Order: sequence, then structure tokens, then C-alpha cells
Amino acid sequence: GAVVSQHPSWVICKSGTSVKIECRSLDFQATTMFWYRQFPKQSLMLMATSNEGSKATYEQGVEKDKFLINHASLTLSTLTVTSAHPEDSSFYICSAREGAREAFFGQGTRLTVV
Amino acid sequence: GESVGLHLPTLSVQEGDNSIINCAYSNSASDYFIWYKQESGKGPQFIIDIRSNMDKRQGQRVTVLLNKTVKHLSLQIAATQPGDSAVYFCAEGEAGNMLTFGGGTRLMVKP
Repeated sequence: GAVVSQHPSWVICKSGTSVKIECRSLDFQATTMFWYRQFPKQSLMLMATSNEGSKATYEQGVEKDKFLINHASLTLSTLTVTSAHPEDSSFYICSAREGAREAFFGQGTRLTVV
Repeated sequence: GESVGLHLPTLSVQEGDNSIINCAYSNSASDYFIWYKQESGKGPQFIIDIRSNMDKRQGQRVTVLLNKTVKHLSLQIAATQPGDSAVYFCAEGEAGNMLTFGGGTRLMVKP
């Protein structure tokens, strides 16, 4: 299957700082990318959907000013958690798809805010 | 809103036995279904998919069955191995729209 690379795998940051997570499609053009967060023992919750070159569409309840998403190219999307707080600690996962094909997931980023 | 849910949160099977993981969906307009496997600390991994014009699809050791009449999806794993231990999610999609995920079932394989 197609490869989606997410970086970093794990990050610890101080409360109040910002963290950027990258999601890259390595062997296909990701016309659409999705960002999820996942709390322990729970399912994936969609945060936002982004199409290349367009502004992201955020799900209800997700603060767009706190979770900045950029999808400037067909192979890269970034999620920046601004002014992170301990309650933002979670597992963040991206997925990417080309057109209407199946979505492939990155390996996830574990964010711990201390 | 529409949702996808799972009957069993945890499934424990003996190594070598067959496993069946079930999923119920509620959006009758969904036309695309996927099963993902997620190991601890990792992102979901694509296993197999099926479109609504099919009722069965087979992969390597896995089979997905779709019953549109009762809106039910199942994943069958043949000769379950310890490496199959993970959480399995079903997901549904409609006309290329975003996938909606179910709550997940944890499969535990006993040696």
C-alpha cells in the first residue's frame, strides 16, 4: 500500500509552547489529508479535513486557531498545536488519500504536554 | 448523526482459531467500507476494503462480508496468529466523503 510518513513519533513539550506535526505522502499525491486525535482506548476523532491549496475544514468543537493546519503541497500537511496545554496531550494521526481512493494513515504522533 | 458501532469491545480467541469481528453501520448511503488494524502506539493500518456493490471480498487470511440488508459488516481472520492481536476498526464512507470510524474491537490471541 501507499506510504504516509508522520513526524515526529513522540514529542514532549512545555505548556504554552507550540508543536508542529508533519504528515507526508511518500509515493502518491495526497489531494486530501485528514487529521485525527485519539485518546487512550477510544476511537479516532476527526479534527479537520484539508484539500491541497485550500483552507482546512474543521469539525465542530475543534478550535481552528489552536490547531493550525496547512496543506500547501500535494505531499505535505502540517498540524500545529499552538499554546499547548496538558489537556492537548493525545495521539494525533494523519491520513491521506488521492482522489476517492482509500486513505492511508501515518504512524501517529504522541504528544505529551507537561 | 450517522454512526458506525461495534458489537464486541473485546474478542479473545485461541491461536489457530478463526476470528470474526462484527460491525454495524447506520448510514444506508455508505458505499465504501474499510477495516483497519491498529497496534498499540501506532497508526491504523489498512487491511481490506469492500464497496457496496459486493457482499464478499477475500484477502490474505482475511475476508470481509457486507450485508447491506441489515447494515452489517464483518471481518474474518483465518488461523489467527499472535501478531493479529490489535484493535480493529471498521470505517464507512459515502461517495468519496470522509470515513466515519466505529469504536473499535480489541482482538486478543491466546497462545
